Amino acid sequence: DTGVSQDPRHKITKRGQNVTFRCDPISEHNRLYWYRQTLGQGPEFLTYFQNEAQLEKSRLLSDRFSAERPKGSFSTLEIQRTEQGDSAMYLCASRETGFDETQYFGPGTRLLVL
Amino acid sequence: AQSVTQLDSHVSVSEGTPVLLRCNYSSSYSPSLFWYVQHPNKGLQLLLKYTSAATLVKGINGFEAEFKKSETSFHLTKPSAHMSDAAEYFCVVSLGLTGGGNKLTFGTGTQLKVEL
Repeated sequence: DTGVSQDPRHKITKRGQNVTFRCDPISEHNRLYWYRQTLGQGPEFLTYFQNEAQLEKSRLLSDRFSAERPKGSFSTLEIQRTEQGDSAMYLCASRETGFDETQYFGPGTRLLVL
Repeated sequence: AQSVTQLDSHVSVSEGTPVLLRCNYSSSYSPSLFWYVQHPNKGLQLLLKYTSAATLVKGINGFEAEFKKSETSFHLTKPSAHMSDAAEYFCVVSLGLTGGGNKLTFGTGTQLKVEL
């Protein structure tokens, strides 16, 4: 399967702990995105990478959130000092360079903060 | 700002009857529009996309959508519903970002229920 993969699929943590999620995009895609989806809502944009450069961050991405894509391939999203409000599905998507704006999504990481 | 409004949060149809999921968009120029589907515990899957070519767009699994600029609508239809179509459907508009990337703005979703 050459789709977008995410790890872990599920994460339960206690409030105040740090968590890190990983996303592996489709191999030839140089653009990578993170979104967050809360229950009953559509996904909301968090941040965007072109290769290793983080080019855009949403105001939803508080100082406790940091994302990296060090070698322009996989990406990590870290949440420090988790809060119950961080409970959500974290989605990763990727797309290729060019005019086609289609983004291909991974299965997501579901985070529950107790 | 670009946005989409999905007019129904829940739609229920009988198997074999037509499906209509409504979406209106707001954009200062001709946008790129998408419909994605999300089955329980599965990732978002692209159904179809409009990118200023043909206004009637055909997608996977028999779905299609028509871009109507005069009505600012992009409704999703299917002639005959199947049980496997039961899922959450999102209407999505794309906004360009720095460096040639794009941000997808999702509607709030329409939950489609298909009954026997």
